[in-house]
Amino acid sequence: GQSLEQPSEVTAVEGAIVQINCTYQTSGFYGLSWYQQHDGGAPTFLSYNALDGLEETGRFSSFLSRSDSYGYLLLQELQMKDSASYFCAVGSTGANNLFFGTGTRLTVIP
Amino acid sequence: KAGVTQTPRYLIKTRGQQVTLSCSPISGHRSVSWYQQTPGQGLQFLFEYFSETQRNKGNFPGRFSGRQFSNSRSEMNVSTLELGDSALYLCASSSGGPGGELFFGEGSRLTVL
Repeated sequence: GQSLEQPSEVTAVEGAIVQINCTYQTSGFYGLSWYQQHDGGAPTFLSYNALDGLEETGRFSSFLSRSDSYGYLLLQELQMKDSASYFCAVGSTGANNLFFGTGTRLTVIP
Repeated sequence: KAGVTQTPRYLIKTRGQQVTLSCSPISGHRSVSWYQQTPGQGLQFLFEYFSETQRNKGNFPGRFSGRQFSNSRSEMNVSTLELGDSALYLCASSSGGPGGELFFGEGSRLTVL
């Protein structure tokens, strides 16, 4: 079967750095994706890692270690608007049918 | 460029009824996938269509079905609705290639009474 584990809630201070971890178990692997979803909004794509290493996009970075079945999303210089749910997702048979984790609710406090 | 459009945004049905949800993908995108989102289960994959063919299917009962038209628009149907089908149904489109970037619509929120 497939499983994804990520923390359910994280609280961090504005301006700080936060790391959201994701461990996965899947029979096939087509990459690890991260999505952000604000309350009442649609999930929006943040990053995708198919190979080991770090991908950086502005204040957000994502890391993947395929040997450890582990990845993380790093958010730097946190802003209040970063308060949202963050989902990791793996593609096991393709990149367009993703298995999502249950999400991490990030709350940024002043 | 217009985003993914889903209709209707909200609907209320009663048990035993059926419902059809519609999704218009981003122009040029040939892959449309559907997800069910509930508070306890997160996003669960329903199925994916590419060029009118179902390419992948999630672990949902046969009451859940879908199709894709030649213009890439997609519909999903749920028959014999159950209370547990109450959820946000999200449609996502992509170009269909590798890269993992899905573009989601705002969703159709279904309430089954």
